[in-house]
Amino acid sequence: AQSVAQPEDQVNVAEGNPLTVKCTYSVSGNPYLFWYVQYPNRGLQFLLKYITGDNLVKGSYGFEAEFNKSQTSFHLKKPSALVSDSALYFCAVRDMGSTRGNNRLAFGKGNQVVVIP
Amino acid sequence: NAGVTQTPKFRVLKTGQSMTLLCAQDMNHEYMYWYRQDPGMGLRLIHYSVGEGTTAKGEVPDGYNVSRLKKQNFLLGLESAAPSQTSVYFCASRRVDVGTEAFFGQGTRLTVV
Repeated sequence: AQSVAQPEDQVNVAEGNPLTVKCTYSVSGNPYLFWYVQYPNRGLQFLLKYITGDNLVKGSYGFEAEFNKSQTSFHLKKPSALVSDSALYFCAVRDMGSTRGNNRLAFGKGNQVVVIP
Repeated sequence: NAGVTQTPKFRVLKTGQSMTLLCAQDMNHEYMYWYRQDPGMGLRLIHYSVGEGTTAKGEVPDGYNVSRLKKQNFLLGLESAAPSQTSVYFCASRRVDVGTEAFFGQGTRLTVV
């Protein structure tokens, strides 16, 4: 079964500094990878995805992520963090190597990002 | 365009009571999902459906049942609520096309006392 690891519970960064949120995954076939953001008392909002093609994908609000197949990673990045980026970030994977995995989206435990003014 | 709507938004149940959570989507999506979110555990899949009339178990299906009688609705039932089912429940839907992202509802905060 597919799985996602987000090793850090909380990421603290000063406003204006680069932000990185780490994600590694495990699948049996090719992965489809997603990042979502959750603001307090809200549902999850889609940020970006990797399906195929260029390893660097760009998404909403200035976020980008780099797919690294050899390291099975899909780290989320933003060059200059804003206070409004403070939220809970989830990495998710769909395993295209099986019918069951293809239908299901597995999430990591989430990373709380705190941007300090 | 409402997207994915969950009803109710908040609920307090006593142990042993039953309830149904309703998820409705107006995007004509084939796939629908129910997740629960618990602190430090991320989102865990309870049940999902790949089309009207079909359902399948996810990671944590015990204590829950689901039905997908209409394409736009996905119901999650708790027959006999337990304190361990205190959680925030999210519904999501997506198109059948490969590689599409899921759209989430606003969540239902359920407390079982």
